[in-house]
Amino acid sequence: AQKVTQAQTEISVVEKEDVTLDCVYETRDTTYYLFWYKQPPSGELVFLIRRNSFDEQNEISGRYSWNFQKSTSSFNFTITASQVVDSAVYFCALTTFGNEKLTFGTGTRLTIIP
Amino acid sequence: DSGVTQTPKHLITATGQRVTLRCSPRSGDLSVYWYQQSLDQGLQFLIQYYNGEERAKGNILERFSAQQFPDLHSELNLSSLELGDSALYFCASSVARTGENTEAFFGQGTRLTVV
Repeated sequence: AQKVTQAQTEISVVEKEDVTLDCVYETRDTTYYLFWYKQPPSGELVFLIRRNSFDEQNEISGRYSWNFQKSTSSFNFTITASQVVDSAVYFCALTTFGNEKLTFGTGTRLTIIP
Repeated sequence: DSGVTQTPKHLITATGQRVTLRCSPRSGDLSVYWYQQSLDQGLQFLIQYYNGEERAKGNILERFSAQQFPDLHSELNLSSLELGDSALYFCASSVARTGENTEAFFGQGTRLTVV
């Protein structure tokens, strides 16, 4: 069985600060896929990134960056120079090879204080 | 805009009733997924269809059923509704074919309130 843990329930930072959202996963499969989704106050789920288990390269997209470390089973998400529009609930999720069902973490509510 | 369309956006109904939630996937996506988001259970996978056939089943109650039609749109039917069924129901779609795990794009959800 798969499991995703997001230990940070809520985080508040002042605008322009950097913030890191933690994600720890568990799976016995050797091939798996990790995802981050954003759920803004409007309620929809917005896809941010997918990472394959065989690709440990970190990724940067604008102010967003992701750090994937298989040794610690972590897939952390950093927002640099946070903005009020980043306020949302962020979900980390996992699928395994051949099984497309997403196993979600409980989410981290991020509040950016202007 | 993810390209996944869900209707209706809001639904209020009484206990014991039956409702149907509708989903149109992104153009070209063959897989459709249904998820339930509630305060106590979080985001839970319900069921997946691929090109009209059921592919995977999750924590879906027997009172709930789904189908995917030849035009690939999907419907989730919820019957004998209980207060605890109040939740946000998401549909998602992906291009995933056998052996591929691509990202799923979510609709805006249907907020169901059972009173």
